[in-house]
Amino acid sequence: EPEVTQTPSHQVTQMGQEVILRCVPISNHLYFYWYRQILGQKVEFLVSFYNNEISEKSEIFDDQFSVERPDGSNFTLKIRSTKLEDSAMYFCASRGGTDEAFFGQGTRLTVV
Amino acid sequence: GIQVEQSPPDLILQEGANSTLRCNFSDSVNNLQWFHQNPWGQLINLFYIPSGTKQNGRLSATTVATERYSLLYISSSQTTDSGVYFCAVEVAGGGADGLTFGKGTHLIIQP
Repeated sequence: EPEVTQTPSHQVTQMGQEVILRCVPISNHLYFYWYRQILGQKVEFLVSFYNNEISEKSEIFDDQFSVERPDGSNFTLKIRSTKLEDSAMYFCASRGGTDEAFFGQGTRLTVV
Repeated sequence: GIQVEQSPPDLILQEGANSTLRCNFSDSVNNLQWFHQNPWGQLINLFYIPSGTKQNGRLSATTVATERYSLLYISSSQTTDSGVYFCAVEVAGGGADGLTFGKGTHLIIQP
């Protein structure tokens, strides 16, 4: 069964460093998303991406964040100058259209 | 933005019991999904159910879109059903925008 794959599963980084979280969406899907879940809290929408551009972003998604689809399969989230409060589980998701979204297993980011 | 309220926030049951989880939302939606977050943090798709009723084994779900709520039923609970159950919705007319999640119901099934 097709699935969304995220790497790494866990990343530890020093405060102030840049991190890149990687995702391989389901191959025939057109819409891609990043979400964040701070420990013990609900899942929050960050950004959606369609046709090689951002289609929607939340207030959380400020200039510290950027997304890219560098090739036909990968979808990345870059976080510049990480802060302690960026520690969270980051989920990638994809959809074929206006239907069911499928989520990856998540990347747990720990900023120390 | 749209508000998503889930109840109860916490639920502790004995193995074999049945349960009903509720999700209320404040606006018309074109997407509603139920997820189970397991102890490893993974979000497992349970149902894509913007309206109507679906069943999958011991789980079933009903969404009454006109009254803006959805119910998730778990029958004959097992310890592996433990975890957090999230309802997530997408506002109608927004294209393929992001999902808004509720705060979840934390379910504990005791042996």
